[in-house]
Amino acid sequence: GEDVEQSLFLSVREGDSSVINCTYTDSSSTYLYWYKQEPGAGLQLLTYIFSNMDMKQDQRLTVLLNKKDKHLSLRIADTQTGDSAIYFCAERTDYKLSFGAGTTVTVRA
Amino acid sequence: GAVVSQHPSWVICKSGTSVKIECRSLDFQATTMFWYRQFPKQSLMLMATSNEGSKATYEQGVEKDKFLINHASLTLSTLTVTSAHPEDSSFYICSAQTSSNTDTQYFGPGTRLTVL
Repeated sequence: GEDVEQSLFLSVREGDSSVINCTYTDSSSTYLYWYKQEPGAGLQLLTYIFSNMDMKQDQRLTVLLNKKDKHLSLRIADTQTGDSAIYFCAERTDYKLSFGAGTTVTVRA
Repeated sequence: GAVVSQHPSWVICKSGTSVKIECRSLDFQATTMFWYRQFPKQSLMLMATSNEGSKATYEQGVEKDKFLINHASLTLSTLTVTSAHPEDSSFYICSAQTSSNTDTQYFGPGTRLTVL
């Protein structure tokens, strides 16, 4: 979606933290999501955050939301080879989801 | 919980034929299902929104007579690509929405359509 932007690529060393950034434009978004897509597969919901929250932590995942700047980030702690995938952020407005283009995360040994 | 399946996972067909793709919510009832199309290395583009028992709502630029959607029950929606052509080759993904507070969409594994 043109209203949601992400950087296209991220390379990270195994064991380091990954940070994937996303910006969106619709201030009326109610929820923001992070999905993971592995090659040839559908999307797996990783986590979501309600628009009135600043942060949400779920095991190795930390989501930060700056509503003023319309900036969303996903931090993956202790990145593993199995984390290599495409990560999509999405904003929900009304009942629809608008997706970013996806960030391809490559984990190197 | 919240598992969505699609069938078939891949299909190859000749130009001019029609192809039906099924989307099922396996362990929950989905009041709304969505159909997306994804081109290689691109994001998902919403094609249509399907509510059980009513006509689908198509996004701008999506031909409703080309992509027929039927949402016969709370657990099944079908997408039929009619008179398929090579430019219809794509990855089609469905999602099903729960009726929870978050109305989260859960995605199927996708169907790879190749039209020769």
